[in-house]
This record gives sequence, structure tokens and C-alpha cells, in this order.
Amino acid sequence: EDQVTQSPEALRLQEGESSSLNCSYTVSGLRGLFWYRQDPGKGPEFLFTLYSAGEEKEKERLKATLTKKESFLHITAPKPEDSATYLCAVQGNTGKLIFGQGTTLQVKP
Amino acid sequence: SAVISQKPSRDICQRGTSLTIQCQVDSQVTMMFWYRQQPGQSLTLIATANQGSEATYESGFVIDKFPISRPNLTFSTLTVSNMSPEDSSIYLCSATDTYGYTFGSGTRLTVV
Repeated sequence: EDQVTQSPEALRLQEGESSSLNCSYTVSGLRGLFWYRQDPGKGPEFLFTLYSAGEEKEKERLKATLTKKESFLHITAPKPEDSATYLCAVQGNTGKLIFGQGTTLQVKP
Repeated sequence: SAVISQKPSRDICQRGTSLTIQCQVDSQVTMMFWYRQQPGQSLTLIATANQGSEATYESGFVIDKFPISRPNLTFSTLTVSNMSPEDSSIYLCSATDTYGYTFGSGTRLTVV
């Protein structure tokens, strides 16, 4: 059964304090691993898709990496506006998108 | 990427009634999806809606409770039928495009 586990559940950082979010997964035939940002009261906003181990993608202060078992979302020098829930999802041979529980990030000024 | 408009954005409904949620995409898409996000939880897939065929429901979700229509390649509706307080959730529409999966802003449903 495809499964996604995210850690930590919640993370509080000071502005400028870099950290990483983890997404561990088991999937039959990885087609893609997705990172989303979700603000309260809104739908998930697409950040990255990673397709194979070793792949990395960057966008502003965010960098996503992928291994055969997990993905990391690195946040460098975060700002208060980076506060949100970050969701990880995988798509395997079933074609369905399976989501983790999310990590709620709070960045304090 | 595709832009998805979903309405209503929120509603408060009486138990036993039904609510239909509309999802409009600004481009033609092959597959559309409906998710439920219960308070404090992640997204759970309800069903996949393909144009010209019946929706495919996930385990735990049935057509009588969540009927779905997909009349064309840009539009879908989800009805939450005979509602109970346990149906209080955020319902999200999604579609695939070349960038991956795009989501609407969601419908926050409260059943009283």
C-alpha cells in the first residue's frame, strides 16, 4: 500500500533559521513526488515535482531533494511569509495522489 | 498551470439536506478529482471524474452519498447528499495538467 509520512508535524523557527522538512514514502512504481504549500482556508499551491532519486529543485528559499525512500524540503533563511502547512504527496502505479499529513511551519520575526 | 474556480467557497447546511459544489477549469483537462480534507487532516481522495464515463470512487465513498457529474472537459460537480455533521469538511477539486496537479481553493462545509 502506498504511504506517505511527514515529519515533524509542526515546526517553529525564528526568521532566518534554516531547517528541513522530511517526507518518507513507500510506493509501488514512483511516478512523481509532489510538494505543496497550503495556507489556511485555501487549496494546496503547487511547489515542486520530483521524478527520480537524486533530483533536486529550487524556488526562492525552498529546495526539494529526493532519494529512493524520502524527500526533504529545505528552507533557507525563512521569512514569516513562509509560514504555512507543507504537504508531500506521491503518485505510484495506481495513478492516485497519496498525501502525507503535512508539516505546519511557523516562522516568527 | 490550469486555474480552477470552485464554488461555493463556504456554506452552512442543515443535516439531511444536500449541497452541490461546482468546479470550473480554465482549460480542458482529462482527469478531475475530488478530495476531502477533514479538520486538521490531510487530503483524502473521494473519486476521480472522467468526462463521458462514471466517476471512480475510492474505498469508503459511494455514489449515492457523493454523486459526481462531469459533463465536459472543463467542469465537474460534487454533491454531498443527506448531510450529517460528520460531513463537515473542506472539499477540494483538482485537475491534472502539464505541471502536475492543480487545486481549487476549496469549499468549507459545515453541517449543523
